[in-house]
Amino acid sequence: ETGVTQTPRHLVMGMTNKKSLKCEQHLGHNAMYWYKQSAKKPLELMFVYSLEERVENNSVPSRFSPECPNSSHLFLHLHTLQPEDSALYLCASGWTGRYNEQFFGPGTRLTVL
Amino acid sequence: AQSVTQLDSQVPVFEEAPVELRCNYSSSVSVYLFWYVQYPNQGLQLLLKYLSGSTLVKGINGFEAEFKKSETSFHLTKPSAHMSDAAEYFCAVSNDYKLSFGAGTTVTVRA
Repeated sequence: ETGVTQTPRHLVMGMTNKKSLKCEQHLGHNAMYWYKQSAKKPLELMFVYSLEERVENNSVPSRFSPECPNSSHLFLHLHTLQPEDSALYLCASGWTGRYNEQFFGPGTRLTVL
Repeated sequence: AQSVTQLDSQVPVFEEAPVELRCNYSSSVSVYLFWYVQYPNQGLQLLLKYLSGSTLVKGINGFEAEFKKSETSFHLTKPSAHMSDAAEYFCAVSNDYKLSFGAGTTVTVRA
């Protein structure tokens, strides 16, 4: 399998649930990114990992917890979310320091009830 | 920090008519620019990129863009729109270790 994969593709959860989103890249990149895309809003960069080290956290609430165990895998752990967190969550990977071209996964459509 | 501005939030176009999506960037020493397309409920797909060299860049699906340093612009064009071009388009500029994206332009195609 090639490219950037995300699982699950769709997720419905209650406000008290705990779930995790998974992202995997098979491109040999050294950086991975989480974005939030809400309806009628611009893309929001949430987290950036470079060489498995978090280099950016854009004032994201603590109910979102990222984890990058190695350069190929990225997780977003979710707990006690709010309905306004419903959105498309996109993962991307790329090479930092080389133009920063990014390759995106298909996204996880999250609905918080 | 570098940034981009997409000048149109929506662009309606008739099938087989030309389409142009406008993007301006903030000036800097080295500029690396990208156009991505997003179809409904999918991730972003790279259409084309300008890194260096020829200022006219050709991409997938018949799209092209021209880098104009004097105008700080990187407009995306296609001579003849198809129904399958209906999507959201994002302009982006390289910025330190990440990309800065514009707000997006929604293209609708009418028969």
